[in-house]
Amino acid sequence: GAGVSQTPSNKVTEKGKYVELRCDPISGHTALYWYRQSLGQGPEFLIYFQGTGAADDSGLPNDRFFAVRPEGSVSTLKIQRTERGDSAVYLCASSSPEGRTEAFFGQGTRLTVV
Amino acid sequence: AQRVTQPEKLLSVFKGAPVELKCNYSYSGSPELFWYVQYSRQRLQLLLRHISRESIKGFTADLNKGETSFHLKKPFAQEEDSAMYYCALSRGDYGQNFVFGPGTRLSVLP
Repeated sequence: GAGVSQTPSNKVTEKGKYVELRCDPISGHTALYWYRQSLGQGPEFLIYFQGTGAADDSGLPNDRFFAVRPEGSVSTLKIQRTERGDSAVYLCASSSPEGRTEAFFGQGTRLTVV
Repeated sequence: AQRVTQPEKLLSVFKGAPVELKCNYSYSGSPELFWYVQYSRQRLQLLLRHISRESIKGFTADLNKGETSFHLKKPFAQEEDSAMYYCALSRGDYGQNFVFGPGTRLSVLP
């Protein structure tokens, strides 16, 4: 695709349920990032993948959050036992491996936990 | 700890007026600083980065290490500049996990 694609664009779930958010990076981009953006705030770093491995997961808030990227392309962010405080826009970004290049963002998934 | 502050949540200026969006950071190493912009109903996109030292859409930003600032400036604002602007810091090593500021909404009035 032409850009980073995230699905679904909107997700409403009940408190306590499990959700998966998907990110399709730009083809050839080995670096992939997940951010969370709450209302009125800037994006907050969650996790960074280089290829298939999580190079930095220091931003994951707790063990209910987990992300995978098994083939080094598509990534899935998984949230267990969702809480109302998890409601936010979840952003994915990717960048190419050559040096410090621009990170391209997806349009985000708006998660609402009711 | 890395931190980015943007003191103004909202900045309103008239078309043709100069605009300055403030950004300050705290980081002990040699950071890379960026400005990202989000226009209405569009995704977050890079506006400019300090290492490029370029002007994009008439915007410039100079990294001032003494004042730990990276303010975004444009001499003559246009209505199409209305958007959310985020200042971001990267540690400068391989990988770009950014620390973002809270953002400033710029409103350019006709």
